[in-house]
Amino acid sequence: GQQLNQSPQSMFIQEGEDVSMNCTSSSIFNTWLWYKQDPGEGPVLLIALYKAGELTSNGRLTAQFGITRKDSFLNISASIPSDVGIYFCAGQLHVKRSQGAQKLVFGQGTRLTINP
Amino acid sequence: DADVTQTPRNRITKTGKRIMLECSQTKGHDRMYWYRQDPGLGLQLIYYSFDVKDINKGEISDGYSVSRQAQAKFSLSLESAIPNQTALYFCATSDPLLDTQYFGPGTRLTVL
Repeated sequence: GQQLNQSPQSMFIQEGEDVSMNCTSSSIFNTWLWYKQDPGEGPVLLIALYKAGELTSNGRLTAQFGITRKDSFLNISASIPSDVGIYFCAGQLHVKRSQGAQKLVFGQGTRLTINP
Repeated sequence: DADVTQTPRNRITKTGKRIMLECSQTKGHDRMYWYRQDPGLGLQLIYYSFDVKDINKGEISDGYSVSRQAQAKFSLSLESAIPNQTALYFCATSDPLLDTQYFGPGTRLTVL
């Protein structure tokens, strides 16, 4: 089945540093999504990428959809304490084209820890 | 009020018991999903439903069943719980235009 390889698995940084994480796959995806999960909560969507090559920003977050449609990266600039959490990439692919319906395949997550 | 709610938020049960986890949404979405999350891993799809009459197995459906009682409600059942089903369970819905998924707060299930 489809698998996403997300790296790094964990990061320990100082407040104010920039962060970079990425996902790669052997499969092609229609859409790449980046989620953040806080302890005891469900994942929350940060950025969605719909076109190969697309570069999208959301505040201090920037993400890109790789040209090959098999990879994506997420950058966080000038990290702050509330950035702590687990970040997941997810690739979306069709399961029922007639209904335009898709399903998500998730990476293993990157746990971000910030030292003040 | 939360758009996607899950009950219970925490549950401890014993091996062999039947358990039902419930999910409700107020987003008006037709598409609903159940995922499982194990420590240090991403989410794995258990079942998904694209409308009330449509139920589909995901990657790890063995040992689970679902019921779509209405557009807003999607329940996950463990007919006979076993310890390796101890995990976090998330419900999600998606909008029909972009299929972006929105997650509930999760249910922490422990099977002793």
